[in-house]
Amino acid sequence: GENVGLHLPTLSVQEGDNSIINCAYSNSASDYFIWYKQESGKGPQFIIDIRSNMDKRQGQRVTVLLNKTVKHLSLQIAATQPGDSAVYFCAENRNTGKLIFGQGTTLQVKP
Amino acid sequence: EPEVTQTPSHQVTQMGQEVILRCVPISNHLYFYWYRQILGQKVEFLVSFYNNEISEKSEIFDDQFSVERPDGSNFTLKIRSTKLEDSAMYFCASRPGQGDTEAFFGQGTRLTVV
Repeated sequence: GENVGLHLPTLSVQEGDNSIINCAYSNSASDYFIWYKQESGKGPQFIIDIRSNMDKRQGQRVTVLLNKTVKHLSLQIAATQPGDSAVYFCAENRNTGKLIFGQGTTLQVKP
Repeated sequence: EPEVTQTPSHQVTQMGQEVILRCVPISNHLYFYWYRQILGQKVEFLVSFYNNEISEKSEIFDDQFSVERPDGSNFTLKIRSTKLEDSAMYFCASRPGQGDTEAFFGQGTRLTVV
């Protein structure tokens, strides 16, 4: 079915700490996943992606982990900064090219 | 850096009126999409468009909706007779390929139906 979900609606962290945002998906046939960041009043902005033949991918301060066994995806942000405050969505790419988005987690960074 | 642009940024319309939301995708992209986001909710797929025709549409995309690529650059979403529940942010997106490629989103058009 079309169900991509996040575990927590809101995550509050201290500036400088690491953040972990989680996502569960239901379609075991999915082979490509994307994390998007959405700031208030703006469109989704690409952060990082991962293909199903990988279990980890790193970017600048961000890491995505994929566990296909339990259909779980996570986004780790190192040394979280105030500018990281936003809503984070995981999205599952279907073969047709459409993206199925999760509900979103609001990340609040406390100074 | 190339970007997807959308106009207008905010549209207020009377219930029952027709609206056209406009998008200019990134120039060398081949796949175009419209998504919708009701306030406080997740982003939902509406329609995908490739090679001048709809390739997929969701249940939301009923007969009141249509898309068009009237020239080589614009991609429009038309809602023929707006309803209160059409109030949402509408995002256009484009990508160079269908598979493992990033989708680039515009800033969105906030549609308010009164």
